[in-house]
Amino acid sequence: DTEVTQTPKHLVMGMTNKKSLKCEQHMGHRAMYWYKQKAKKPPELMFVYSYEKLSINESVPSRFSPECPNSSLLNLHLHALQPEDSALYLCASSQVGGTQYNEQFFGPGTRLTVL
Amino acid sequence: QQPVQSPQAVILREGEDAVINCSSSKALYSVHWYRQKHGEAPVFLMILLKGGEQKGHDKISASFNEKKQQSSLYLTASQLSYSGTYFCGTEEWGRGTYKYIFGTGTRLKVLA
Repeated sequence: DTEVTQTPKHLVMGMTNKKSLKCEQHMGHRAMYWYKQKAKKPPELMFVYSYEKLSINESVPSRFSPECPNSSLLNLHLHALQPEDSALYLCASSQVGGTQYNEQFFGPGTRLTVL
Repeated sequence: QQPVQSPQAVILREGEDAVINCSSSKALYSVHWYRQKHGEAPVFLMILLKGGEQKGHDKISASFNEKKQQSSLYLTASQLSYSGTYFCGTEEWGRGTYKYIFGTGTRLKVLA
């Protein structure tokens, strides 16, 4: 199984809502990532979990809260978002070898719209 | 600092070749290449780790220069399926810090 799954595919939420994005992989990868991608722009790294511990937080606002309950699951909790947070949110996973992160497998993404 | 890719966009006819460049102002730990089709997730193509390295499979290959500040992706005898946006992904390691940054992207369209 070389697939990363993400739910939901689409999400519309108000600025006062609380929602969560979910990501799952069963490739035995121990690194998982959240990216944000705006239209016609490259993905921007938000968070990296390595062995279920948050290892990278790219100065993301606290209204985004990641969680890694186990080695296969990654969540992104959303609260009090702004319209400018509307974007495609991509999850990825990779093996961790030595001092490098290896090729990343991406999920299909969640298209988020904040009203 | 985000790596700069060139060209920004290119249109080819089937069977033509293309070169996409990814340039950084400082030495990189590694370079990854991805292709993203419209409305889809990025798909990994290859990774280069060593200065002077070249690798490839089928008709897509890549190189990493000796100073590890530039990588090029070579697409030969392009096919319709090559259409999409190509990104280089770069790793930078510092003192207790890690950055993974995608390049600016190159939109490639192959016409029949």
